[in-house]
Amino acid sequence: DTAVSQTPKYLVTQMGNDKSIKCEQNLGHDTMYWYKQDSKKFLKIMFSYNNKELIINETVPNRFSPKSPDKAHLNLHINSLELGDSAVYFCASRSSYNEQFFGPGTRLTVL
Amino acid sequence: AQSVTQLDSQVPVFEEAPVELRCNYSSSVSVYLFWYVQYPNQGLQLLLKYLSGSTLVKGINGFEAEFNKSQTSFHLRKPSVHISDTAEYFCAVTRMDSSYKLIFGSGTRLLVRP
Repeated sequence: DTAVSQTPKYLVTQMGNDKSIKCEQNLGHDTMYWYKQDSKKFLKIMFSYNNKELIINETVPNRFSPKSPDKAHLNLHINSLELGDSAVYFCASRSSYNEQFFGPGTRLTVL
Repeated sequence: AQSVTQLDSQVPVFEEAPVELRCNYSSSVSVYLFWYVQYPNQGLQLLLKYLSGSTLVKGINGFEAEFNKSQTSFHLRKPSVHISDTAEYFCAVTRMDSSYKLIFGSGTRLLVRP
């Protein structure tokens, strides 16, 4: 009964490939987020969706495209992967009490 | 814009000693404040939060934090740490608007030694 789940947990791929990371929450929350954690552990917001509508789009390259088929899912598709995309990507969902619950993360390694 | 400063990148401490992890924030509007903990190779877990009310907030695992508006601080404390508290700790703020995106500090690694 994991609250926020992500797949895959690890993703190793070559430069130039296209990959997707999936996120699902079973908490009934309306708002979900993607965060990126770099090699120095710094966390930065990327995107947010509220009930399938994009509400935050930080200065992220347009190779990154989030998609929310329904309010329980927020996927992240990355085109033409670059070395600098290597990071841990966290999905989160926000409760009505403004607490954000994080998934276990997806460690992306671009070779 | 909001920003969060965690001045200490690493705090070593002996087991059963008290610890304080410092967090200062900057914001022109009212914010909510959070502390998250990240154990190795895991996601982030909410330790505690300040939304309103009492400035001393208690969280899980014996941690507490005090919101000080005049000093724009939200320091995290624990009176007696355990080896299992070794982890990365992140302070974060969010504006009280529709996005509620979290702005994180750079993290403090708490290293508890026997």
